[in-house]
Amino acid sequence: EDKVVQSPLSLVVHEGDTVTLNCSYEVTNFRSLLWYKQEKKAPTFLFMLTSSGIEKKSGRLSSILDKKELFSILNITATQTGDSAVYLCAVRVAGGTSYGKLTFGQGTILTVHP
Amino acid sequence: GAVVSQHPSRVICKSGTSVKIECRSLDFQATTMFWYRQFPKKSLMLMATSNEGSKATYEQGVEKDKFLINHASLTLSTLTVTSAHPEDSSFYICSASEGAIWNTEAFFGQGTRLTVV
Repeated sequence: EDKVVQSPLSLVVHEGDTVTLNCSYEVTNFRSLLWYKQEKKAPTFLFMLTSSGIEKKSGRLSSILDKKELFSILNITATQTGDSAVYLCAVRVAGGTSYGKLTFGQGTILTVHP
Repeated sequence: GAVVSQHPSRVICKSGTSVKIECRSLDFQATTMFWYRQFPKKSLMLMATSNEGSKATYEQGVEKDKFLINHASLTLSTLTVTSAHPEDSSFYICSASEGAIWNTEAFFGQGTRLTVV
């Protein structure tokens, strides 16, 4: 059974802090790993990673994938209150009965205090 | 990015009635759409994969007769919760990908909050 595990499950920081969110996975037929931010409704896309060691960056957010150790991290520097959300990691696999399906981790609840 | 529209955003229905939720890809064609369910403070759980022109593929433990999925066109998939009961109350979200599914992100609809009373 495909498994995606995120840690920590929740995190409380103050504005300006840097946070690192972790995502490890055990899946068959890995194709890509995606990070999403979910505030109140639908998740919004952050990054998609397919290759090891290549950092993707968008403003204060960055992410990298290690396909040998089967994990990814999402970094947020200089956090702001608007970063408070649930961060979801999902892995896309090939084949099986659900072609291209995403398996999600439990999410990390990030709370940034002013 | 591509837009996926889900309707309604919120619905309250009586126990025993059926509810239909629509998921539309507004500016692209989606051969495959996915339906998820999310419980409070939990992650998204894939319910089924909706394939245009063919039967949906359901995940283990999801009752296909209860959660009817129809994907009649390349831009519309519907999920019908039949004979809804209070335990079906949940947040339902659809997603779709544009183009080659392997190399693109999945775009999500706004979600539908279903409350069965």
